[in-house]
Amino acid sequence: GDSVTQMEGPVTLSEEACLTINCTYTATGYPSLFWYVQYPGEGLQLLLKATKADDKGSNKGFEATYRKETTSFHLEKGSVQVSDSAVYFCALSANTGGGNKLTFGTGTQLKVEL
Amino acid sequence: GAVVSQHPSWVICKSGTSVKIECRSLDFQATTMFWYRQFPKQSLMLMATSNEGSKATYEQGVEKDKFLINHASLTLSTLTVTSAHPEDSSFYICSAVPGQKYEQYFGPGTRLTVT
Repeated sequence: GDSVTQMEGPVTLSEEACLTINCTYTATGYPSLFWYVQYPGEGLQLLLKATKADDKGSNKGFEATYRKETTSFHLEKGSVQVSDSAVYFCALSANTGGGNKLTFGTGTQLKVEL
Repeated sequence: GAVVSQHPSWVICKSGTSVKIECRSLDFQATTMFWYRQFPKQSLMLMATSNEGSKATYEQGVEKDKFLINHASLTLSTLTVTSAHPEDSSFYICSAVPGQKYEQYFGPGTRLTVT
């Protein structure tokens, strides 16, 4: 079945450091890929998405490129801020007859310190 | 826009009792809502898909008689945990899809503790 694997956390960085959170997936067909962010005490929010190979999703300085050849969708940001501290989830949707079902990775907690 | 609320945000109940969790889409109509369960430091596990006016579709391994889902209107879905046991203690999250739009909007979650 479909699965998403992302790097374990927590990841602790200093402000203005570069961020990469790895995400790889296994799916049949051509899934859509997502990154969600969960700030403390809040629900998941869609951060960015890509629906086909070589698409780049971007939002709030974060980027991720849909790499079909490596089945990856790594999340990157050039300069993190304390306000980026949250849990980040990689997810896919196989766009099958099951509707908009999402398969999530285990989440990666990011802590950004001054 | 696209706000989803859950009530209660946390609940403690005794073993053997039933607990109802509400999921509401506040500013849009949702033909489909999803219920997830999240264990500490683990991923969200899809429990069921709830469609307005029809029976919910449960994922493999999820007990239909234990986790009752009702989607009575386009803005409300409820999850009832029947005869709760300590192993049902978890974080329950719902999401809603506005009509034909693809994106899921998530509620803040409900922390259930069964003693």
